[in-house]
Amino acid sequence: EVQLLESGGGLVQPGGSLRLSCAASGFTFNNYAMTWVRQAPGEGLEWVSGISGNGDDTYYADSVKGRFTISRDNSKNTLYLQMSSLRAEDTAIFYCAKSADSGNSHFDNWGQGALVIVSS
Amino acid sequence: QPVLTQSSSASASLGSSVKLTCTLSSGHRGYSIAWHQQQPGKAPRYLMKLQGSGTYNKGGGVPDRFSGSSSGADRYLTISNLQSEDEADYYCETWDSSSHKVFGGGTKLSVL
Repeated sequence: EVQLLESGGGLVQPGGSLRLSCAASGFTFNNYAMTWVRQAPGEGLEWVSGISGNGDDTYYADSVKGRFTISRDNSKNTLYLQMSSLRAEDTAIFYCAKSADSGNSHFDNWGQGALVIVSS
Repeated sequence: QPVLTQSSSASASLGSSVKLTCTLSSGHRGYSIAWHQQQPGKAPRYLMKLQGSGTYNKGGGVPDRFSGSSSGADRYLTISNLQSEDEADYYCETWDSSSHKVFGGGTKLSVL
């Protein structure tokens, strides 16, 4: 059974930094692209960032480019999102999601989410 | 980059059927999409991948009551024999050649 478990969320001041982790199990982690998706309070889903299975290719939404960095440690089956220069509008639940295959595809599994609150 | 358009809300009675629509923007009508369900207070759940041909592949454990279909730029999710647990937000998702993902705005389904 695929399991994705996010951690690292919390309260951070504007301009601060935070690192989210997503521990994966139940599948061969390095065979699949992974993604971060966020959901602001009362809003819809927003794609944030994606990374290929071997970590060589990364992709970012314009809203986070230059501030967020996605990475993965395939030896630890873990996905990361380093967030810096955080703004109030980054307040959201952050979900990690697994792609359905190694290529450019849809999501077929979601984590339970990690709440990030940016506030002074 | 494709844009996905969904109605903001829909409603149907318990035991009836409902058809939700996700419309692809001009120039992207051949794209495949995926449907995801988000029950109140929960994480999203993958329902199915739906191709422009109308062929769909459901995720594990998704009830037979859920089906997909396509017509031109429109992608549909049909839920038959509506149950109370089907009350949720439904999102469509697609992806472009640059590996960027796109979500529709979501449809809030109420089961009366």
